[in-house]
Amino acid sequence: NAGVTQTPKFQVLKTGQSMTLQCAQDMNHNSMYWYRQDPGMGLRLIYYSASEGTTDKGEVPNGYNVSRLNKREFSLRLESAAPSQTSVYFCASSEDAGGIPYGYTFGSGTRLTVV
Amino acid sequence: GQSLEQPSEVTAVEGAIVQINCTYQTSGFYGLSWYQQHDGGAPTFLSYNGLDGLEETGRFSSFLSRSDSYGYLLLQELQMKDSASYFCAPRGRGQGGKLIFGQGTELSVKP
Repeated sequence: NAGVTQTPKFQVLKTGQSMTLQCAQDMNHNSMYWYRQDPGMGLRLIYYSASEGTTDKGEVPNGYNVSRLNKREFSLRLESAAPSQTSVYFCASSEDAGGIPYGYTFGSGTRLTVV
Repeated sequence: GQSLEQPSEVTAVEGAIVQINCTYQTSGFYGLSWYQQHDGGAPTFLSYNGLDGLEETGRFSSFLSRSDSYGYLLLQELQMKDSASYFCAPRGRGQGGKLIFGQGTELSVKP
């Protein structure tokens, strides 16, 4: 099925470890986004890429880096994981910036625990 | 800058109608989107209002008033499966295309 694929679905890291969350979309969308969601909270934007070759910081970029590898793929890297980064991470894509008018398509999420 | 307000929780009974309000302050407001998220799931896009008025999609409708910086999501003939969190997300010009989501409204549908 067409959509946004995130890997891995679950991950446990020790404090200080690094890892990369992978995201790929097969809808030929231009824009891609990384959000985190903490329990009972809304979605907070970490980084986004309005188009291939560009990336920009969102609301909570500290402790993260991103790479827009090509039009399909947008990865999120935690260089030195901290317990505060325990969260569910969602990748999303949209045809045009802002998801107008067809909205964002979200991946199923990566549930990350940092111990 | 941007600010966003939604009620944190709403409870309604099966078959009823419920309205979830959203007030926003967004520089260069462009339009308002709504998303649904079931517990443990991914958000899914419901609707977008670029113009004032009501947009209807089946049992769900969304309304926008630009002059009041206000919108709402109307859910009719509520079903148990409508129990979820609902997020409004205003889009402003010059935001580089990103959407900032509110805290969301948790809707509980009771039998």
